[in-house]
Amino acid sequence: GAVVSQHPSRVICKSGTSVKIECRSLDFQATTMFWYRQFPKQSLMLMATSNEGSKATYEQGVEKDKFLINHASLTLSTLTVTSAHPEDSSFYICSARLPGLQTDTQYFGPGTRLTVL
Amino acid sequence: AQTVTQSQPEMSVQEAETVTLSCTYDTSENNYYLFWYKQPPSRQMILVIRQEAYKQQNATENRFSVNFQKAAKSFSLKISDSQLGDTAMYFCAFMKRNDKIIFGKGTRLHILP
Repeated sequence: GAVVSQHPSRVICKSGTSVKIECRSLDFQATTMFWYRQFPKQSLMLMATSNEGSKATYEQGVEKDKFLINHASLTLSTLTVTSAHPEDSSFYICSARLPGLQTDTQYFGPGTRLTVL
Repeated sequence: AQTVTQSQPEMSVQEAETVTLSCTYDTSENNYYLFWYKQPPSRQMILVIRQEAYKQQNATENRFSVNFQKAAKSFSLKISDSQLGDTAMYFCAFMKRNDKIIFGKGTRLHILP
């Protein structure tokens, strides 16, 4: 199957700083990537849909100025948590859609654990 | 709006037994996909099985099979000869073509030695 990587796997930062998380499709080009947030023992909550070369589409209730998404190439999308606060601590997961005839499949990255002190 | 319901928050079965995880969904669409994803303690999301709504035949992948009842909007997962490595969170998911995935709340499955 297709491989999606995330970096870093875990990050600890101080309150008020910004953190960037990268999502890469390693062996395919992804015009669409997705960013999820997952709290402990809960399901994945879609934050936004990232489209290469255009603005991201955010889900209702997600602050686009706080969670900046950039999809500058067909293999890379980044999520920047700006002015992070302890309540932003969570597990962030990205996925990438395999384009073309197999658009029914998304492949997930291993996730990034963010801890804001 | 589409919804996915998993009515079993947690289940435990003995190793080598067969277990069935339930999932129902609600949609007015006719062309869509259904998935079961596994999330082990590593938290990596792994695709277990995929079903295309227009296909009547139930999907199977080795020990994993589904019972897809389109009229009833039911999509259960059967795990045969369960193994310790099957211990994980299992998410049922729905997706319209070229759209986002909608996940259920998950079923935590424990395989007991």
